[in-house]
Amino acid sequence: GAGVSQSPRYKVAKRGQDVALRCDPISGHVSLFWYQQALGQGPEFLTYFQNEAQLDKSGLPSDRFFAERPEGSVSTLKIQRTQQEDSAVYLCASSTPREGYAGYTFGSGTRLTVV
Amino acid sequence: DQQVKQNSPSLSVQEGRISILNCDYTNSMFDYFLWYKKYPAEGPTFLISISSIKDKNEDGRFTVFLNKSAKHLSLHIVPSQPGDSAVYFCAATLTGTASKLTFGTGTRLQVTL
Repeated sequence: GAGVSQSPRYKVAKRGQDVALRCDPISGHVSLFWYQQALGQGPEFLTYFQNEAQLDKSGLPSDRFFAERPEGSVSTLKIQRTQQEDSAVYLCASSTPREGYAGYTFGSGTRLTVV
Repeated sequence: DQQVKQNSPSLSVQEGRISILNCDYTNSMFDYFLWYKKYPAEGPTFLISISSIKDKNEDGRFTVFLNKSAKHLSLHIVPSQPGDSAVYFCAATLTGTASKLTFGTGTRLQVTL
């Protein structure tokens, strides 16, 4: 597609429920990033993939957070046993190395609300 | 510890005037800086960037200035237009890491008629 697509756009989860957030990057983009944006804050790095390899997961806040990109294209961010502090917008971005950060394209995000 | 700071949460500027958005950072290892613009319900979009080997980069109405000794950068928009109304995020990174950007908390710019 023309841009980075994220689904669902909105998700309401009961505390303790598991959720899965999907990211479809721009076709051919090697690099894929997940960020978490809490209300009133800037995006915070969660994890980074190069093709199917997860090269950096230093930003994942706990072992309840898990990300995968098994075929080097679509990625899923899974949050187990959701808690209220997980409420945020989850942003996915993709890029190609030759474009550098100028080619870093964000999706519109998934707004997760844990009640 | 907030490594990138945008101390002004909001700014209002008249159309045609200059908008100046400021950003400070604490990590002296950062060597590449970017500005992103964000409209409601959309993801951030890249606006302009600057490497630490430069002190100025210009692209049309947008100019970014970098003062390494002060660990400070600023974005100038001249002239400001109503369509520039958005939230602006400053971000920093260390080149070669090929990964994470560290963002500030954003400044909401409103350009009034």
